[in-house]
Amino acid sequence: AQSVTQLGSHVSVSEGALVLLRCNYSSSVPPYLFWYVQYPNQGLQLLLKYTSAATLVKGINGFEAEFKKSETSFHLTKPSAHMSDAAEYFCAVSPDYGQNFVFGPGTRLSVLP
Amino acid sequence: DSGVTQTPKHLITATGQRVTLRCSPRSGDLSVYWYQQSLDQGLQFLIQYYNGEERAKGNILERFSAQQFPDLHSELNLSSLELGDSALYFCASSARDPRDTQYFGPGTRLTVL
Repeated sequence: AQSVTQLGSHVSVSEGALVLLRCNYSSSVPPYLFWYVQYPNQGLQLLLKYTSAATLVKGINGFEAEFKKSETSFHLTKPSAHMSDAAEYFCAVSPDYGQNFVFGPGTRLSVLP
Repeated sequence: DSGVTQTPKHLITATGQRVTLRCSPRSGDLSVYWYQQSLDQGLQFLIQYYNGEERAKGNILERFSAQQFPDLHSELNLSSLELGDSALYFCASSARDPRDTQYFGPGTRLTVL
């Protein structure tokens, strides 16, 4: 079965510091990978997705993620955190064509002034 | 605004009752997905419809059912409700396949008393 793990249910960073949110997946075939963000009392919004083209994927709001097949990872980074980045972040994998999402448990990001 | 609408926003009901949640997908999207988000289970895929036909099932209980109508809007029916069904229910839509970008609605918060 496909699975997604996100290390750290809660991450705190200072404003201006590097953001690193970890995601590891298991998949028997090259997957599509996604990062979604959920702001309080809102739905999920796509940050970026990996579709087997470039391994470094740039998304919205200055976020990017790098697909590393050898490590089965798809970690999300942002060079400088902003207060508005405080939210819940979900990594998801779609293992194969026609197969539905498996979401990770989420990581809540807090940004300290 | 994702273009996906869900009604109602909030729903409070009693155990044993039946409710219907409604979703209108983005214009042009043929696939609709339902997800349940709860504190203990996280984000779980329930069911997908594509152009009126059931395409995939996830962790959907037998007490729950869904359908997609000719105008592509979808309804999720939850019956014999239990306290544990209290959750946020999200609808998402995409062009066709789960690997296409999924756009999420704002969700319906269901509270079962």
